[in-house]
Amino acid sequence: EAGVAQSPRYKIIEKRQSVAFWCNPISGHATLYWYQQILGQGPKLLIQFQNNGVVDDSQLPKDRFSAERLKGVDSTLKIQPAKLEDSAVYLCASNLAGAYEQYFGPGTRLTVT
Amino acid sequence: ILNVEQSPQSLHVQEGDSTNFTCSFPSSNFYALHWYRWETAKSPEALFVMTLNGDEKKKGRISATLNTKEGYSYLYIKGSQPEDSATYLCALGRNSGNTPLVFGKGTRLSVIA
Repeated sequence: EAGVAQSPRYKIIEKRQSVAFWCNPISGHATLYWYQQILGQGPKLLIQFQNNGVVDDSQLPKDRFSAERLKGVDSTLKIQPAKLEDSAVYLCASNLAGAYEQYFGPGTRLTVT
Repeated sequence: ILNVEQSPQSLHVQEGDSTNFTCSFPSSNFYALHWYRWETAKSPEALFVMTLNGDEKKKGRISATLNTKEGYSYLYIKGSQPEDSATYLCALGRNSGNTPLVFGKGTRLSVIA
């Protein structure tokens, strides 16, 4: 079974630039999550999708972050414009309906200079 | 707001030593407890999901226990090996699944050969 795929793996940008991350969850997983992990902290939820609908985006900084999952499969997370404090690892995870366990991708490490 | 605490923050042990880490959470807000192992540049790997007070789970040299009444879980590694070097994350989730995880900051383990 293929795991959760993410790209790019690494990205370096200057502040005020834009960046986008892509996630392909495990086939058949209806629920998809984006987490942000800042150095020294645990991963924190940014947004949760159920199929192509948003379930929870209460912690997403909506003035600069956006995310979509148009066909209920792949998802993209965008930051525009980036700030220094956005430097982090962005993790995508997915799971089956009703399941406890979440499966994570390898993450995208973003550095904003 | 759920608050998950992990200790120690980091740990250095010699190859062959046994070690353990602690995850603490509000006992009044327990749902499900997850342990993940996260090696550098790889995907976080699920180790255990525990839901019942007194749960004990084992995978090879790694085991975990859960005490929901006092609000803690222990992760044990017997006979540490260099390949056990990773960050071990504890997270709380809801019983129903399909809900975001609330993570602790992790315990970073280094096993010295």
